[in-house]
Amino acid sequence: DGGITQSPKYLFRKEGQNVTLSCEQNLNHDAMYWYRQDPGQGLRLIYYSQIVNDFQKGDIAEGYSVSREKKESFPLTVTSAQKNPTAFYLCASSDPSGSEYFGPGTRLTVL
Amino acid sequence: GQSLEQPSEVTAVEGAIVQMNCTYQTSGFYGLSWYQQHDGGAPTFLSYNALDGLEETGRFSSFLSRSDSYGYLLLQELQMKDSASYFCAVRDRGNTPLVFGKGTRLSVIA
Repeated sequence: DGGITQSPKYLFRKEGQNVTLSCEQNLNHDAMYWYRQDPGQGLRLIYYSQIVNDFQKGDIAEGYSVSREKKESFPLTVTSAQKNPTAFYLCASSDPSGSEYFGPGTRLTVL
Repeated sequence: GQSLEQPSEVTAVEGAIVQMNCTYQTSGFYGLSWYQQHDGGAPTFLSYNALDGLEETGRFSSFLSRSDSYGYLLLQELQMKDSASYFCAVRDRGNTPLVFGKGTRLSVIA
C-alpha cells in the first residue's frame, strides 16, 4: 500500500533533549512538508523540501532542523532551542497536482 | 503574505445541509483545497478548486469564486461522523506549500 508513515505515534521528551521524528513515503512524491498543530489551531509550516538535498524554512523554523538525503525520507529534529515543542507534528507529501497527503502524525510532549 | 478566514464553529442537525465559508488574501492564487480532520487524526484531502464554480463529490461540494476571493464547502445529508474540523488551504503558486486557515469545527447534533 502506498502512503506516508510517521513514527513514533507518541513521543515524550525531557527539557534540553533533541528528538527526531521520522517521516517516510512510498508515493514517489518529490515534495515533502512538516507542519505543527497546536490544540484548536490550524497547521503551521515548519520546513519543506521540493527535491532531494534541498529544503526551505517555513513560517516557524526556529528550533527545528531537517534533512532530505533520500526522496522517501524527511526526518524532523526538534532541538533544545525550541522553547515550546509540545504539539502535534504532521508530515505531508504532495503529488504533481499539488494535493497534499498527510501521515498519521506524531504527538510530542515535553515533560 | 497570505491569510485565510474561516468561522471557528458551526453546529448543524443530522440530515441537514451545512455550508462552511472561507475567504482568502494571497499575493497569487493556485487553487483552494479543503481538508477534514477528526479529533486526534490527520487531515484528509476532500476537494480542490482551481477554477470558478462548483465541484461535487458525493455528499461534499466545494465552490470557488476567484473574483471574490471566496469559497465554501457544502455538506449534504449530514451524518454524525461528519463532526470534525474542516480546513481550507491555498497555494499562491505552483510547487509552494499550502497555507491553511484555522479551521471550522463542525458539530452534528441529533
